[in-house]
Amino acid sequence: QKEVEQDPGPLSVPEGAIVSLNCTYSNSAFQYFMWYRQYSRKGPELLMYTYSSGNKEDGRFTAQVDKSSKYISLFIRDSQPSDSATYLCAILNFGNEKLTFGTGTRLTIIP
Amino acid sequence: GAVVSQHPSWVICKSGTSVKIECRSLDFQATTMFWYRQFPKQSLMLMATSNEGSKATYEQGVEKDKFLINHASLTLSTLTVTSAHPEDSSFYICSARDGKLADTGELFFGEGSRLTVL
Repeated sequence: QKEVEQDPGPLSVPEGAIVSLNCTYSNSAFQYFMWYRQYSRKGPELLMYTYSSGNKEDGRFTAQVDKSSKYISLFIRDSQPSDSATYLCAILNFGNEKLTFGTGTRLTIIP
Repeated sequence: GAVVSQHPSWVICKSGTSVKIECRSLDFQATTMFWYRQFPKQSLMLMATSNEGSKATYEQGVEKDKFLINHASLTLSTLTVTSAHPEDSSFYICSARDGKLADTGELFFGEGSRLTVL
């Protein structure tokens, strides 16, 4: 079993729709939860990070963590074509400072 | 925000040659840098952790003699792919952690270097 599981997609939704991206993880030692956005042939850029269960909002983006279920989500409201990218969840284990990435979900927003 | 510069962004080389990729933190000192490899449609796989002034820590399965990492200063780490072969063709990405932000775990990524070995 992979430490971090993420549906690779691809996922296509119409502009304006709400997008839900999800990851599950297996290691309870994971302490920091991040979402990165990666455009084609570019390095990842950090979107959001959180370390506690619950929701964290930043504009159109909401990160949700459920530590009891080992489940994390990223919601994108009012999706825009510019949101089309690959979204990777990443989880940091502070014990060994390792960042473990999901496989990434390729998202396309259709105008 | 913090910027990490990676160079070259694209390199093509012949099989058997060595290629060096540079990763620089432009506006902060990075005591720790990380090197990842990303194959098409796959996630980033951590290759090694580079600590300034000490030897890199390689992940299981990564050949340290093939992927030489040097972190000689707080703003520069280099990855040298020695005797490159076509199977080494991949997207190599570095990331750096601002020492002051260590508590947040935030990493800043370079733009990546695409290596094609003919």
